[in-house]
Amino acid sequence: SAVISQKPSRDICQRGTSLTIQCQVDSQVTMMFWYRQQPGQSLTLIATANQGSEATYESGFVIDKFPISRPNLTFSTLTVSNMSPEDSSIYLCSVAQGVGTDTQYFGPGTRLTVL
Amino acid sequence: DAKTTQPNSMESNEEEPVHLPCNHSTISGTDYIHWYRQLPSQGPEYVIHGLTSNVNNRMASLAIAEDRKSSTLILHRATLRDAAVYYCILRSGGSNYKLTFGKGTLLTVNP
Repeated sequence: SAVISQKPSRDICQRGTSLTIQCQVDSQVTMMFWYRQQPGQSLTLIATANQGSEATYESGFVIDKFPISRPNLTFSTLTVSNMSPEDSSIYLCSVAQGVGTDTQYFGPGTRLTVL
Repeated sequence: DAKTTQPNSMESNEEEPVHLPCNHSTISGTDYIHWYRQLPSQGPEYVIHGLTSNVNNRMASLAIAEDRKSSTLILHRATLRDAAVYYCILRSGGSNYKLTFGKGTLLTVNP
């Protein structure tokens, strides 16, 4: 298993600003993912964070809005840019070792409110 | 991704068994059946997964139909801590490790 921490745990931001969310894992992992969970909804995958290269985004998500960095095998950041109230969500990172039928381990999430 | 269908909600009493159903009629031969749950105000956590045979672990059991078009997550003795949203997810084998979450089943456990 892996222990994942996220910073900040929650934030309230003004529209038009940007917020960077950090995800730290206690061990090296092959794969890292970022999800969004809108109020009362299920999780939606935003992108796969690739170490040393550009993230792979899912349909409906673009790099300009959600730039992602992954400088090493234990750390990644997600930035929510030019925020609007519609970006109010919980943002979660998850990790997997990428072996076999591997399971994913999720962080506690970052609760973002945009005013 | 193949789709799953789950009841929106279920209710159980504490210390009784709970059977959470999942239909996945379009499952392919290489799809694994994964179950995750999300406790209130937490990220999802892995529960169990299987391919063809029934599986048991310390948290739950997974019963997979012979034609693999449905499966059932079994909590043998529900506790209040088991109150959560339970997600049944199909994940294809190989190098695609992405998870596609559906709406899941909200399990309420009554004391």
